Amino acid sequence: DIQMTQSPSSLFASVGDRVTITCRASQSFSSYLNWYQQRPGKAPKLLIYSASSLQSGVPSRFSGSGSGTDFSLTISSLQPEDFATYYCQQSYSVPHTFGQGTKVEMK
Amino acid sequence: QVHLVESGGGVVQPGRSLRLSCAASGFTFYEYAMHWVRQAPGKGLEWVAVMSFDGSIEEYADSVRGRFTISRDNSKNTLYLQMNSLRPEDTAVYFCARDPSLHGPLDSWGQGTLATVSS
Repeated sequence: DIQMTQSPSSLFASVGDRVTITCRASQSFSSYLNWYQQRPGKAPKLLIYSASSLQSGVPSRFSGSGSGTDFSLTISSLQPEDFATYYCQQSYSVPHTFGQGTKVEMK
Repeated sequence: QVHLVESGGGVVQPGRSLRLSCAASGFTFYEYAMHWVRQAPGKGLEWVAVMSFDGSIEEYADSVRGRFTISRDNSKNTLYLQMNSLRPEDTAVYFCARDPSLHGPLDSWGQGTLATVSS
């Protein structure tokens, strides 16, 4: 199984900050890497797919990059609605494992 | 508008069974693979199972293989998860989600249904 490790597990930031979350895979694979946002009590929402493609309707302040084993999600200017938990997921091989999540909290 | 609605959750004793349903609307159901993902209280997301668009392929997480069965009825636009031999560690909110290609992203999710396994 491919293990996905996110860092950090949590971070504190302010509105307007640039935030980067990283995700490392235990095995190398092509761009089957997805990022989701989950607000408390809500279903996850797809932000980025195939490592760097922005899902329709998602603000352009979200971006993704990486390949092989190292991937990242960047929020260029944090907005109030962005305080949430973010998960990476690989869909390259079964099981389609998720990272443990990164909680973005208000400083 | 894509709409996924899970149902069937509840409280069940260890060792018993539960069947979850996911009703789909607003898109051509039979063109999409479908997944189940769960989230234990206060924990992260755990992928559970996937079924291909035509039901010919099904895959499971090790933690549920042999106990859970994913199925779908394309005539009813509905996905199912039959959960047998339930354990307390199966307690979670169960989400269904849509996947355009079996190895694609989960681009639409239901709101989830809570299954609690407790004596």
